[in-house]
Amino acid sequence: QSALTQPASVSGSPGQSITVSCTGTSSDVGSYNYVSWYQQHPGKAPKLMIYEVGNRPSGVSNRFSGSKSGNTASLTISGLQAEDEADYYCTSFSSSSTLYVFGTGTRVTVL
Amino acid sequence: QVQLQESGPGLVKPSQTLSLTCTVSGGSISSGDYYWSWIRQPPGKGLEWIGYIYYSGSTYYNPSLKSRVTISVDTSKNQFSLKLSSVTAADTAVYYCARDHSDYFDYWGQGTLVTVSS
Repeated sequence: QSALTQPASVSGSPGQSITVSCTGTSSDVGSYNYVSWYQQHPGKAPKLMIYEVGNRPSGVSNRFSGSKSGNTASLTISGLQAEDEADYYCTSFSSSSTLYVFGTGTRVTVL
Repeated sequence: QVQLQESGPGLVKPSQTLSLTCTVSGGSISSGDYYWSWIRQPPGKGLEWIGYIYYSGSTYYNPSLKSRVTISVDTSKNQFSLKLSSVTAADTAVYYCARDHSDYFDYWGQGTLVTVSS
């Protein structure tokens, strides 16, 4: 089972909106609404930002939103802030024997 | 507030067995509401799911590691553990334990770096 494909890096200026894509296959992203997104600052554990495609856990800013179309899921960060600079990973449930597939990760840079 | 904490040796020799324990506080593994997973991240690389355990002891492992992985649970101590045998340098990573909703991970431990080196 290959990792989900994410762009290596995405950047934006403060206040702008950016979108991080996560491309899988019909065995994972395309078949299930079980895509989640994690934010990871250097040296820290990942933090759940979005679950089941578009749901935000309590305490996560509403500047973070998720969506899905076909085999590609997306994370949008609106009103970009300096604290949003981090690595972001998507994950999907998979019908393959691997069960959970992570994305390759995207470094978000605030210019 | 649920908290998870990994513990175990930070250095393991090649061919030996890596052993880690995750202690859960603020919630009971025996509640049966969640699975409990191990995830790892090699330095500078992405995340890899290792496997999960349910309070009953049922497990599921990533096929890429299945032949070397054992995850167990001790509900009396509210802990679950990871053993990875025949380790090589490729197993050097930060190992995380996490609470698993069966499709996402909502609480994570802080992670522990395990280095495989002689």
